[in-house]
Amino acid sequence: NAGVMQNPRHLVRRRGQEARLRCSPMKGHSHVYWYRQLPEEGLKFMVYLQKENIIDESGMPKERFSAEFPKEGPSILRIQQVVRGDSAAYFCASSPPSAGGRTDTQYFGPGTRLTVL
Amino acid sequence: AQSVTQPDIHITVSEGASLELRCNYSYGATPYLFWYVQSPGQGLQLLLKYFSGDTLVQGIKGFEAEFKRSQSSFNLRKPSVHWSDAAEYFCSVAAGGFQKLVFGTGTRLLVSP
Repeated sequence: NAGVMQNPRHLVRRRGQEARLRCSPMKGHSHVYWYRQLPEEGLKFMVYLQKENIIDESGMPKERFSAEFPKEGPSILRIQQVVRGDSAAYFCASSPPSAGGRTDTQYFGPGTRLTVL
Repeated sequence: AQSVTQPDIHITVSEGASLELRCNYSYGATPYLFWYVQSPGQGLQLLLKYFSGDTLVQGIKGFEAEFKRSQSSFNLRKPSVHWSDAAEYFCSVAAGGFQKLVFGTGTRLLVSP
């Protein structure tokens, strides 16, 4: 059973460009989460999605950042007009729904390391 | 608001010695607690988790953790450290019905020969 897949693993963008990060959850998982890890810091929650729905985006910056999890295909985290401060590792996690509809343990992908020049 | 404190930024342990990494949490309800390990340039691997029941939980790679409600702690232990255990360790608590994890700032473990 393949784990959570993320691509690309490394992404370099110049200021003002767009960054698209992809995440394919584990088989059977219908919940996706995105986290950001700034250098020398822990992970910070960004957004929680189910298929075609954003459930909680309380950790997303108000501008330039968006996320989607379409019915078909991977989840996408999109950053428009990147700035140097966006340089970080972005991790995706997925989980299966547990009994009662509550989510369960999150399993993490290897991350995408974004560098903004 | 939920929070996790890992008071030790770096810890150095000799190979073969015992290890304890500290974690304190702040959460109003019954916490769901996790320890993850991150090797350099890699993602996070789940070591163990506590949901309920026995307060001493066993994980992979010989790790264990003990939940102490009275101390709001969930410390990670290993009786004998191997050089391959050198990594960064993150404690986290599930908030909002598992919908988000709140992480500590991590403890970097160095293993000396």
